[in-house]
Amino acid sequence: EPEVTQTPSHQVTQMGQEVILRCVPISNHLYFYWYRQILGQKVEFLVSFYNNEISEKSEIFDDQFSVERPDGSNFTLKIRSTKLEDSAMYFCASSDPGLAGGRTGETQYFGPGTRLLVL
Amino acid sequence: DQQVKQNSPSLSVQEGRISILNCDYTNSMFDYFLWYKKYPAEGPTFLISISSIKDKNEDGRFTVFLNKSAKHLSLHIVPSQPGDSAVYFCAASAHHGQNFVFGPGTRLSVLP
Repeated sequence: EPEVTQTPSHQVTQMGQEVILRCVPISNHLYFYWYRQILGQKVEFLVSFYNNEISEKSEIFDDQFSVERPDGSNFTLKIRSTKLEDSAMYFCASSDPGLAGGRTGETQYFGPGTRLLVL
Repeated sequence: DQQVKQNSPSLSVQEGRISILNCDYTNSMFDYFLWYKKYPAEGPTFLISISSIKDKNEDGRFTVFLNKSAKHLSLHIVPSQPGDSAVYFCAASAHHGQNFVFGPGTRLSVLP
């Protein structure tokens, strides 16, 4: 069964450093998402991406964050200058276009997550 | 601003009995709802969805009920199995919206 994969599974970084989290969405999916879950808190939406551009983003997704689809398979989240409060589990998700004329981004399939620890 | 609420942080149920997980929402624009299950150190796994044009959707042991007037949905698992022990998240999306708003989750423990 196709699945979303994420690398690395764990990343430890110093405050102020840049990190890139990588995701390989399900191959025929066209919508991509990043979510995060701070320890003990709920899963929070960061950004959605379609047709090589951001379609929606939350207040959390400020100028420190960027996303890219550098090739036909990878989807990356970059945090330019990490802060302590960026420590969280980051989940990538993808969804297919759905039926023509129907809803988009219906069922989102999640990857296993990358645990980011900023020291 | 809790648009999606799951007021029970935890729930314990005997194996074989019914588990009922509840979710309330405040945004009347939400019209598509998902339930996810999450094991420790794994990503959320899709369980079942429901659109606002329906009030019930069933898939095997899982049934989701939607009461639009009360802005309430529930997930029924019957019969509950020990492997169902996980954190269950309710998530909601508005029309043409792609970002799902998640509830805080309910930890279900199914006791043998």
